[in-house]
Amino acid sequence: DAKTTQPPSMDCAEGRAANLPCNHSTISGNEYVYWYRQIHSQGPQYIIHGLKNNETNEMASLIITEDRKSSTLILPHATLRDTAVYYCIVRNTNAGKSTFGDGTTLTVKP
Amino acid sequence: EAQVTQNPRYLITVTGKKLTVTCSQNMNHEYMSWYRQDPGLGLRQIYYSMNVEVTDKGDVPEGYKVSRKEKRNFPLILESPSPNQTSLYFCASLPTGTNSPLHFGNGTRLTVT
Repeated sequence: DAKTTQPPSMDCAEGRAANLPCNHSTISGNEYVYWYRQIHSQGPQYIIHGLKNNETNEMASLIITEDRKSSTLILPHATLRDTAVYYCIVRNTNAGKSTFGDGTTLTVKP
Repeated sequence: EAQVTQNPRYLITVTGKKLTVTCSQNMNHEYMSWYRQDPGLGLRQIYYSMNVEVTDKGDVPEGYKVSRKEKRNFPLILESPSPNQTSLYFCASLPTGTNSPLHFGNGTRLTVT
């Protein structure tokens, strides 16, 4: 599986959009990009995933660049409850190994 | 409710005393995996299983064993725990051959003294 690189921390004002970047320059053609978040020490929670097209669900939007070497998770109106560690991983549908990096700690401030 | 269940949630033990952390999923998923998480670090994969009777090492398998005798269960075994295995452990599952995401359990916090 391709490795990912994320900034260690980011701040965002409450009510503003939070844009979390992820670099996955060695991604393969059949690997999806997945985003999870972890609040305190709870189990990671799935947010969204995509292959090459941009995706949106009730939680977030995922923008994947045309060359697929990077992506951005967008939380459109961040709340204090969105404070968490956000992980970006890449994985193909039949992969056994799945590698999580250190993630980005997002702090939403009032 | 679809879920991954780990037991126990908290465990304190002493060095060398064998222990098992159980993981069970009710979603008929083929793939299951164990991770450990240490302070300030991401999740590191210990072992994974692509299906019944098929297991393989992740990135940090030393000191751990697993078994996959039935589809729903994937126990993590520490034959002789040591203090450096004090950590937060997560089990996860997903259906293979699809792009479905991992479903995680709520974690087991293990302390080895």
